[in-house]
Amino acid sequence: DVKVTQSSRYLVKRTGEKVFLECVQDMDHENMFWYRQDPGLGLRLIYFSYDVKMKEKGDIPEGYSVSREKKERFSLILESASTNQTSMYLCASSHRQGAYEQYFGPGTRLTVT
Amino acid sequence: EDKVVQSPLSLVVHEGDTVTLNCSYEVTNFRSLLWYKQEKKAPTFLFMLTSSGIEKKSGRLSSILDKKELFSILNITATQTGDSAIYLCALKGNTGKLIFGQGTTLQVKP
Repeated sequence: DVKVTQSSRYLVKRTGEKVFLECVQDMDHENMFWYRQDPGLGLRLIYFSYDVKMKEKGDIPEGYSVSREKKERFSLILESASTNQTSMYLCASSHRQGAYEQYFGPGTRLTVT
Repeated sequence: EDKVVQSPLSLVVHEGDTVTLNCSYEVTNFRSLLWYKQEKKAPTFLFMLTSSGIEKKSGRLSSILDKKELFSILNITATQTGDSAIYLCALKGNTGKLIFGQGTTLQVKP
């Protein structure tokens, strides 16, 4: 069974803290993605990765960085959390070639106070 | 710029009603259009459409793509309370990234 897991379902952090969100997939997918989801705005792509150690900026990369040291793991880092980064964060993965759908993790609801 | 627009943004119906959700798009190089259903947590995949005019069907849900008029619809017949969810439309272009619409929030009342 296809599985994407995220390290936390709920997270509360203070302004200025460094935050790590972890995502792991067990499907040997080449592609991995980080989105944030806000009401009325849908899912917006933050960063994605086509391979180990490779990363590409999405539509809203400001204030975020990522790390992909292993194929199955993709981490999202908030260097200095701010209140406008309070959101639902969704990780996804897919095969690289073909019209494959993306599989999503359960999401992490991050609140920055 | 590639864009996906869903309508309506929200919808309230009663059990047994039929609903039609719309997704229109602009894209430089079309690869596929995907529909997802999102309840409390992870979006789950419903359909992928690549060819115009071919209906995809799964139980009470069906979807069709019109590549000439650049839109897709998702139909749900005989709605049930379990159909209450956010329905997301996403476009895949040449880059392999998905571009999502805002989503349609559907509430089905008993």
